[in-house]
Amino acid sequence: QSALTQPASVSGSPGQSITISCLGTIGDIGSYKFVAWYQVHPGEAPNLIIYDVDHRPSGVSDRFSGSKSGNTASLTISGLQPDDEADYYCSSYTSRTTLLFGTGTRVTVL
Amino acid sequence: QVQLVESGGGLVKPGGSLRLSCTVSGFTFSDYYMAWIRQAPGKGLEYISFISYSSSFTNYAHSVRGRFTITRDNTNNSLYLQMDSLRAEDTAVYFCARVPSQAARMSVPTFCDRWGQGTLVTVSS
Repeated sequence: QSALTQPASVSGSPGQSITISCLGTIGDIGSYKFVAWYQVHPGEAPNLIIYDVDHRPSGVSDRFSGSKSGNTASLTISGLQPDDEADYYCSSYTSRTTLLFGTGTRVTVL
Repeated sequence: QVQLVESGGGLVKPGGSLRLSCTVSGFTFSDYYMAWIRQAPGKGLEYISFISYSSSFTNYAHSVRGRFTITRDNTNNSLYLQMDSLRAEDTAVYFCARVPSQAARMSVPTFCDRWGQGTLVTVSS
């Protein structure tokens, strides 16, 4: 497996909640609590928003939350805001001792 | 504030070499592991390499092992990536990233808490 699977795009209206999925396998998400999520605005540095499945770095809005069930991790953005429009990537440690990223999801705020 | 600034990218022919630099400020560089991650045009992120505080431990993705070398200079707050035998598929934006100690317990980083804006490497004849 060369990448974790994410939906190509997710959209929502301001104030709504959206969830982005990140599908892995028993060899990565299914076995480890080392899932992270990054927000990437075009031309900017990636920004860590979730680590270790459901931990938020200081300074990150509590509108962002993470979870995991089986081989799938999820990022939920509640109270969607225009500035949430960006690309989002998940990552996971794997049993092959590497770090695998997701295919990326473009979030559009309608 | 925390800053990571990459430099050294550019156009290089297949088989050529390039050395990327990442200069950091706003934190104690020697207290952190560091990593390189890249993003090919229109593609997702790809982990490349990882180095410990004192350079005693390094790790490479299979795709670059034997061709790329990660080093650091704690005196000058700088991280480097020497890239040799470059291929067209190495074309990407290369990011340097900071790895906090809690993310450095495995043989690869489990997450990176601060990133630079990246430098573009284009491998083409």
